[in-house]
Amino acid sequence: RKEVEQDPGPFNVPEGATVAFNCTYSNSASQSFFWYRQDCRKEPKLLMSVYSSGNEDGRFTAQLNRASQYISLLIRDSKLSDSATYLCVVSRNQFYFGTGTSLTVIP
Amino acid sequence: EAGVTQSPTHLIKTRGQQATLRCSPISGHTSVYWYQQALGLGLQFLLWYDEGEERNRGNFPPRFSGRQFPNYSSELNVNALELEDSALYLCASSSLQRSGNTIYFGEGSWLTVV
Repeated sequence: RKEVEQDPGPFNVPEGATVAFNCTYSNSASQSFFWYRQDCRKEPKLLMSVYSSGNEDGRFTAQLNRASQYISLLIRDSKLSDSATYLCVVSRNQFYFGTGTSLTVIP
Repeated sequence: EAGVTQSPTHLIKTRGQQATLRCSPISGHTSVYWYQQALGLGLQFLLWYDEGEERNRGNFPPRFSGRQFPNYSSELNVNALELEDSALYLCASSSLQRSGNTIYFGEGSWLTVV
């Protein structure tokens, strides 16, 4: 069983839409959780850490449900510049990456 | 503060040759990770080094090897190159000593095997 599973998409949404991504992780001992963003042919970059209490950064909201072992990312008021692949990451010393969810925001 | 640096940016090799990729972590980071990303695919974990020791290895053949130096920089060696080794090789670093540590990537090295 994979450590982290994500719906690969693609998600194609119009500008201004709200879009949500989910991922699940298999090991309950996982300690830290993150969302990364990867643009085409570039390195992944940290978007935000994810906490059980939920956290928000502008138009982005991340949630962690430890009981169900899933992580979510909500993007409100999508912009063209949000088009990218979003990677779910969990860690317990080593970092485990999901395969990513592709988002394209359409004008 | 300098981020993770990788060299070379691009490398072209012929089948059967050896490639060496280099990585310098963020200052203060002791862990270095190597990932392979073939075009259009997800990250595949290769190797993890911490404090000079190999901590874990992904599902890759032994011709993929590496090491971490006393200054925490790292090298990835790929021997007997095959066409399917063509990919973006990403190095990342983190600090295990910090709670909630995150992982930071370099810009990667593009390896093309012809």
